[in-house]
Amino acid sequence: LAKTTQPISMDSYEGQEVNITCSHNNIATNDYITWYQQFPSQGPRFIIQGYKTKVTNEVASLFIPADRKSSTLSLPRVSLSDTAVYYCLVGVTGGYNKLIFGAGTRLAVHP
Amino acid sequence: GAVVSQHPSWVICKSGTSVKIECRSLDFQATTMFWYRQFPKQSLMLMATSNEGSKATYEQGVEKDKFLINHASLTLSTLTVTSAHPEDSSFYICSASTQGFGTEAFFGQGTRLTVV
Repeated sequence: LAKTTQPISMDSYEGQEVNITCSHNNIATNDYITWYQQFPSQGPRFIIQGYKTKVTNEVASLFIPADRKSSTLSLPRVSLSDTAVYYCLVGVTGGYNKLIFGAGTRLAVHP
Repeated sequence: GAVVSQHPSWVICKSGTSVKIECRSLDFQATTMFWYRQFPKQSLMLMATSNEGSKATYEQGVEKDKFLINHASLTLSTLTVTSAHPEDSSFYICSASTQGFGTEAFFGQGTRLTVV
């Protein structure tokens, strides 16, 4: 399972775009990159998943360079409700494949 | 999307007693479920993999006799914390994935256990 490195914390203001970068130098060929969001006293919530290039959904974009050794989660125009911990996970997902969480990035959005 | 539900959301028990936490996949079958624990301000730590119809696989350092896992059906896994002590107080979270390569994992809402 590839180890991931993210900033421990980030601060932003409402309306700004937030980019959180995750390093995963030992990513394997079959690994996906998945981001989860967690609010206090709740289970993690899936945000986005990708394998290469760029993935976009209604809440975020995920940018993955060609070497796949890093990835960037982009949150457009954050609001106070985006204050949470964001986890970058790398591995094979689905079925019996376990997910190992790193430390995550604690994002604080200020008024 | 798929939903994973945990029960109870919170529980307070006396030291020495046992507590059972249920994890259900509501609209899909899960042959494998996972149990995590999370201490305040820390990340999720994988405790064990729950396999339907067979023994659970525990991560290193997790006491299998203390954290009993039963996965008797394709939609239900239970975690029993036996002889609970205050240091077992934590946030317990389960997850499950639908079958298929690359599918996402769904997490329950978590169970806050407080041992007094």
